[in-house]
Amino acid sequence: AQSVAQPEDQVNVAEGNPLTVKCTYSVSGNPYLFWYVQYPNRGLQFLLKYITGDNLVKGSYGFEAEFNKSQTSFHLKKPSALVSDSALYFCAVRDVYNFNKFYFGSGTKLNVKP
Amino acid sequence: NAGVTQTPKFQVLKTGQSMTLQCAQDMNHNSMYWYRQDPGMGLRLIYYSASEGTTDKGEVPNGYNVSRLNKREFSLRLESAAPSQTSVYFCASQGRAPGSYEQYFGPGTRLTVT
Repeated sequence: AQSVAQPEDQVNVAEGNPLTVKCTYSVSGNPYLFWYVQYPNRGLQFLLKYITGDNLVKGSYGFEAEFNKSQTSFHLKKPSALVSDSALYFCAVRDVYNFNKFYFGSGTKLNVKP
Repeated sequence: NAGVTQTPKFQVLKTGQSMTLQCAQDMNHNSMYWYRQDPGMGLRLIYYSASEGTTDKGEVPNGYNVSRLNKREFSLRLESAAPSQTSVYFCASQGRAPGSYEQYFGPGTRLTVT
């Protein structure tokens, strides 16, 4: 079965420190991976994606993610966290057989403290 | 350009009642989706429509029906609501431009079934 896992329900980080939100995937073949962010009472917003090419992809709001095929991971990172980054973050993968299906992780709540 | 819109924003139903959640997008996207979001479970796909005139089941279709009325609109119907359908429902759309695999989400409908 294809899936993504987010092993941490919550990540706490101090403002100005680097942050990492973890995601691992399980798919056969080459994965198409995504990160989304959800602010309170809002829909999800696209942050970045990995399709092919460079393992380090850059996205919105200063976020980046590193694709690691050997570790089947796609961790979200930011060099310096802001309080305004506090939100719920979701990793997702596209189905390799049915391009219209996507599987989302359970979400990680990021808390950035001043 | 409103993106993806959903109505209503909130709804309370009694067990056995029916209702339709409406979704519309103005981005000329081909694919549209309905997800439900439950705490700790991320987003789960209910139904999707790859193009006008087609609909397919996702992971959790039981108790729901959908209609792709035209390219813009994709509605979700609960024929006989159950407390297990208490959730936040998100509609999303996705374009077919090369390299455009990300989804665009509406603001959500918070449904409570008592």
